[in-house]
Amino acid sequence: GAGVSQSPSNKVTEKGKDVELRCDPISGHTALYWYRQSLGQGLEFLIYFQGNSAPDKSGLPSDRFSAERTGGSVSTLTIQRTQQEDSAVYLCASSFGTGDFLFFGPGTRLTVL
Amino acid sequence: AQSVAQPEDQVNVAEGNPLTVKCTYSVSGNPYLFWYVQYPNRGLQFLLKYITGDNLVKGSYGFEAEFNKSQTSFHLKKPSALVSDSALYFCAVRDDEGSYIPTFGRGTSLIVHP
Repeated sequence: GAGVSQSPSNKVTEKGKDVELRCDPISGHTALYWYRQSLGQGLEFLIYFQGNSAPDKSGLPSDRFSAERTGGSVSTLTIQRTQQEDSAVYLCASSFGTGDFLFFGPGTRLTVL
Repeated sequence: AQSVAQPEDQVNVAEGNPLTVKCTYSVSGNPYLFWYVQYPNRGLQFLLKYITGDNLVKGSYGFEAEFNKSQTSFHLKKPSALVSDSALYFCAVRDDEGSYIPTFGRGTSLIVHP
């Protein structure tokens, strides 16, 4: 498929555990974004990559959250010591250029018990 | 700083009637404006964008949006609503003098009644 893919689609974890969420952007897209969607809260920006660099990490809610991107392609969002308030749908998006519209993946629904 | 507001959490319209989903924005420079749609259990999909040029922008599925600089608005419209248009709609803005990060509104749930 030619779209943005994310895995897993659903993740249920226990409070205090670490989780890794993966995003495969569209091939050739240099910009990659992570957002979080909570019920009634809209989309909350987390982090943005241009290539492998993250010029803007301002949206990461705490130091428990980190992300990396390798080879200008796959990105991993890691949440350490998960808390119940981390429960949300985590969305990844990519774009060819920074001024263009975003292609979104289907999201990873994270539930922290 | 950039921000976007969608003042209605929900819009109800009868099938066949025109629909409007409202969006206002605030930027320091010039806005790049976008509408996205999220169907149930699906990812967000791009509908249309305004960068420059004609104030009336046409997009996918018969939707259009009108850029109004004086009112700082970018309302989404469709002349005749379909039941299948029922979904969550998001407006987004990026300031051409700011960062490369689009800011999204809280979303408006559109419900089209048969």
